[in-house]
Formats: sequence, structure tokens, C-alpha cells
Amino acid sequence: GAVVSQHPSWVICKSGTSVKIECRSLDFQATTMFWYRQFPKQSLMLMATSNEGSKATYEQGVEKDKFLINHASLTLSTLTVTSAHPEDSSFYICSARGPRAGQISYNEQFFGPGTRLTVL
Amino acid sequence: AQTVTQSQPEMSVQEAETVTLSCTYDTSESDYYLFWYKQPPSRQMILVIRQEAYKQQNATENRFSVNFQKAAKSFSLKISDSQLGDAAMYFCAYRSADFNTDKLIFGTGTRLQVFP
Repeated sequence: GAVVSQHPSWVICKSGTSVKIECRSLDFQATTMFWYRQFPKQSLMLMATSNEGSKATYEQGVEKDKFLINHASLTLSTLTVTSAHPEDSSFYICSARGPRAGQISYNEQFFGPGTRLTVL
Repeated sequence: AQTVTQSQPEMSVQEAETVTLSCTYDTSESDYYLFWYKQPPSRQMILVIRQEAYKQQNATENRFSVNFQKAAKSFSLKISDSQLGDAAMYFCAYRSADFNTDKLIFGTGTRLQVFP
């Protein structure tokens, strides 16, 4: 149990285009999902926290108009990189947390396999 | 604000030997969770072990154990009987026990090499 998927696993796009990355919790309902960015040989940096049915909370320094996050259902959150540029090339990872009561451990985040974005 | 520090960018160990990875953190909270995550070359984050701050007993998961020193704000990971498959990046992480502010704060990571 507690499987999180991401799609696509890798994507190459031209500068100026938009790219959408999906994060799905396959066997549990995720009230909260998190989006991270990881540069080569660096740690994970939290970009935003996404709560189902409400606006995402962005970390300081993250442009919310550039990184659009939608969490329309309890099993799906999407990250759209708008007008992508080469500096947006990175590894994007999502994680999902279950609700406070019931189901699986409420205080654990389950990570997706990540999406490698390359902007030419 | 909470911070997590991993002072060892790289470590190496011989197969079957024991290695300890260091982690220190800073927080003013009294209740929190600490984690060690493994990130192999596939880059899938894997939870290795978790420690609740209110528990004095150190967590253990098979070959993995921690030395949790709350007063010193130290949380080291010991890997016993190291295996080639243990080679990976290891991240220490902190999480508040407050459900409303429970984002993970990661350290910079330690790359572990395991030699046969």
C-alpha cells in the first residue's frame, strides 16, 4: 500500500512552453500533497503544499504564477510549469500524506518516483 | 525556523562493516519527528527509519538504528552489516508534530559508498 505515482517520469520541452506533471496517490486518499524540487547532487527543496479543494501554499521565493498547482481530488495533484525556461530544468518530486484519522499512518509522507524536466 | 545539518557530504564503508551517518538539527519545539530517507540512483525516496521525539528509546529497523540525543539535538544513523545495496544518498529530515505545519525539512544529504 501507500503508492504514489508521477507522470511523466521524464519530459523534454522547448523554452516558452508549459509542462504539466501529475501526482497520484494510488491506494489511499491524500488530503495533502507536497511538491519538491531537487537540483543535481542537492537536497529536496519544498516548493509548495497542496491541500485538496483549496489553494496551494507556496514557500518563500517560489513563483506561484509560474508553478501552478491544482489539487482537485483526493488522489490527484498537478504541477504546471508555465513558460518553462532552461533554469527550470530539474527533478520534481511529489509526496502525499493521508488524512489525520484512519487509513495509514497520518504522519508519514509517501513519495512519488519523481519527474525529470529538461527545458531546451 | 527549524534547520537540519548533515556535516558529512560523503562517507564510505566496506561491505559487512558498520557506518554511522551524522545529523544535527535545531528547533524550539518539544514535539516533532525525525526521519532518515534513502535515495538510491533511481531517485525514489525511501523511508529508512523514523523517531518520535517523545520516545526515549532509539528506533531500530533491522540493520538500521538511530542514536537520538534530544538534548544535544543529534540524530545519527547506524548501518550495520553494510550491503552493496545500501549505497545511496541519505537524507535526515525533521517534521513538526503540529499537523498544520508538518512539512519535511531536509538536510543536505550524505552520499554513502559501499565497497566490496
